[in-house]
Amino acid sequence: DTEVTQTPKHLVMGMTNKKSLKCEQHMGHRAMYWYKQKAKKPPELMFVYSYEKLSINESVPSRFSPECPNSSLLNLHLHALQPEDSALYLCASSFDRVSYEQYFGPGTRLTVT
Amino acid sequence: SQQGEEDPQALSIQEGENATMNCSYKTSINNLQWYRQNSGRGLVHLILIRSNEREKHSGRLRVTLDTSKKSSSLLITASRAADTASYFCATDSSSAGNMLTFGGGTRLMVKP
Repeated sequence: DTEVTQTPKHLVMGMTNKKSLKCEQHMGHRAMYWYKQKAKKPPELMFVYSYEKLSINESVPSRFSPECPNSSLLNLHLHALQPEDSALYLCASSFDRVSYEQYFGPGTRLTVT
Repeated sequence: SQQGEEDPQALSIQEGENATMNCSYKTSINNLQWYRQNSGRGLVHLILIRSNEREKHSGRLRVTLDTSKKSSSLLITASRAADTASYFCATDSSSAGNMLTFGGGTRLMVKP
């Protein structure tokens, strides 16, 4: 199984809502990532988990809160988002954090109204 | 911040032609990777080339790396309409904490 799955595929939320994005992989990868991608732009790294510990947080606003319940699951909790947070949110995983290719999920298209 | 810059930003060719995309970067790297992204979907890993390698092939894909010029190129031979996508280079650099840093991407359109 070389697949990274993400749910939901689409999400529309108001600025006062609380929602969560979910990501799952069963490849035994020890590193998992959250990226944010705006239209016609490259992905921007938000968070990196390595061996279930947050290892990199790219100065992301606190309204985004990551969680790694176990080595196969990654969540991104959303609260009090702004319209400019509307984007494609991509989850990825790799065998280890250093020098390995990343496998990406299909993404969650988030719209904040 | 972007480490890699890609050229051209957009490329339109006819089916059967070859497509070449270039990537330049600024700092020394451990490896450079190429990814493809179909519109609004996740990225698909194509090729990883390490800093001590000069060329790699995978099917119709050929990647070269010139560390002295800090540049890489991706060649797609005998292109197909299904190759229409955005292509990103990404560098893995110790100076960037071994995080993948993506270039701006090349949008390729292959006309049938």
